[in-house]
Amino acid sequence: GENVEQHPSTLSVQEGDSAVIKCTYSDSASNYFPWYKQELGKRPQLIIDIRSNVGEKKDQRIAVTLNKTAKHFSLHITETQPEDSAVYFCAVGGGYQKVTFGIGTKLQVIP
Amino acid sequence: GAGVSQSPRYKVAKRGQDVALRCDPISGHVSLFWYQQALGQGPEFLTYFQNEAQLDKSGLPSDRFFAERPEGSVSTLKIQRTQQEDSAVYLCASSFAGSYEQYFGPGTRLTVT
Repeated sequence: GENVEQHPSTLSVQEGDSAVIKCTYSDSASNYFPWYKQELGKRPQLIIDIRSNVGEKKDQRIAVTLNKTAKHFSLHITETQPEDSAVYFCAVGGGYQKVTFGIGTKLQVIP
Repeated sequence: GAGVSQSPRYKVAKRGQDVALRCDPISGHVSLFWYQQALGQGPEFLTYFQNEAQLDKSGLPSDRFFAERPEGSVSTLKIQRTQQEDSAVYLCASSFAGSYEQYFGPGTRLTVT
């Protein structure tokens, strides 16, 4: 089955700085790469996703890059704000939409 | 419109008891997924339905876990003879046919004592 590795597990940045979270996957047939944000005690919420036919996607302060050859993808958050503090999960999907999640990165933005 | 809802939100069970967790997907969503999220971990896939058909149950950890979606809308995850290792948040997600985007419910936090 699919194996997703995510790092770092924790990340602290100063407000206004950028944050980068990286994931690798094992199944070259995977074609869907979402990122979820989960605040404490809340449901995971999709913040951005990318398909395998696209190398980069941006939405305001959030961007995701995908390298299918190397089987890795990254989340970039620019101009971080305290409300960005949460746990971020990468995930990998294919076929009928089942996704495999990474272990999560706890992001702390220090005011 | 209403999102995915789950009930109960919290459940405490004594070891050995049976529990039933309910998921109400978004109306019109054909696909429904159950995930188990242990403390400090990412969600792990349990099972998948397309309408009433359970197409993948490869993630169910043991035969004590059973899921159903008899009319293709509401789904129930049942855990028999609960064990302490079953303590986790159980998340339900749904999506439109052919769409990759999954909408998650708030989860049911199960604590087995």
